[in-house]
Amino acid sequence: EVKLVESGGGLVKPGGSLKLSCAASGFTFSSYAMSWVRQTPEKRLEWVASISSGGSTYYPDSVKGRFTISRDNARNILYLQMSSLRSEDTAMYYCARASTTTGRDFDYWGQGTTLTVSS
Amino acid sequence: QIVLSQSPAILSASPGEKVTMTCRASSSVSYMHWYQQKPGSSPKPWIYATSNLASGVPARFSGSGSGTSYSLTISRVEAEDAATYYCQQWSSNPHMYTFGGGTKLEIK
Repeated sequence: EVKLVESGGGLVKPGGSLKLSCAASGFTFSSYAMSWVRQTPEKRLEWVASISSGGSTYYPDSVKGRFTISRDNARNILYLQMSSLRSEDTAMYYCARASTTTGRDFDYWGQGTTLTVSS
Repeated sequence: QIVLSQSPAILSASPGEKVTMTCRASSSVSYMHWYQQKPGSSPKPWIYATSNLASGVPARFSGSGSGTSYSLTISRVEAEDAATYYCQQWSSNPHMYTFGGGTKLEIK
């Protein structure tokens, strides 16, 4: 059974940093691209970062230079290091696996971890 | 950057009705994916690559479309279908995933 379990969320002051983790199990982690997707309080879904199986990373402009995605294939863990946090980063953060089917959908999602950026 | 617009924002239907929700892309895309989300839960894969039902999705759901217009149709709505449905696409250049704003389906 595929499982993705996020952790590390919390309350952070603007300008602060935080690192999220996603523990993966039930599949060959190193073979899959992985992503972080967030859901804002307004329920909007936003793609945050992706890392390929080979380690290439991708970000939208909204987080580029502030967020870093990485993976530890030996421990089956996905990370998201976030810095220079802003109030607009407040969201539920989901870890998601990119499927290998045509068109790159997300075929498994974790339960999410909440980040609140507030003074 | 491709923008996905979903309509309507809220859809109200009675059990047994046929409903259709639409996702329009600002530029042509090759495939569209759909997710179902209920309150307190993470999004569930629902339809992938435009017309393929994810595992466990009832056959009353279907997906279609091409180019800039895609749709999700429920042939006969049931109470359990009440949820928010999001569309999503991926582009390779630049590498980017985009989501629509969602359609909330309410059952009367």
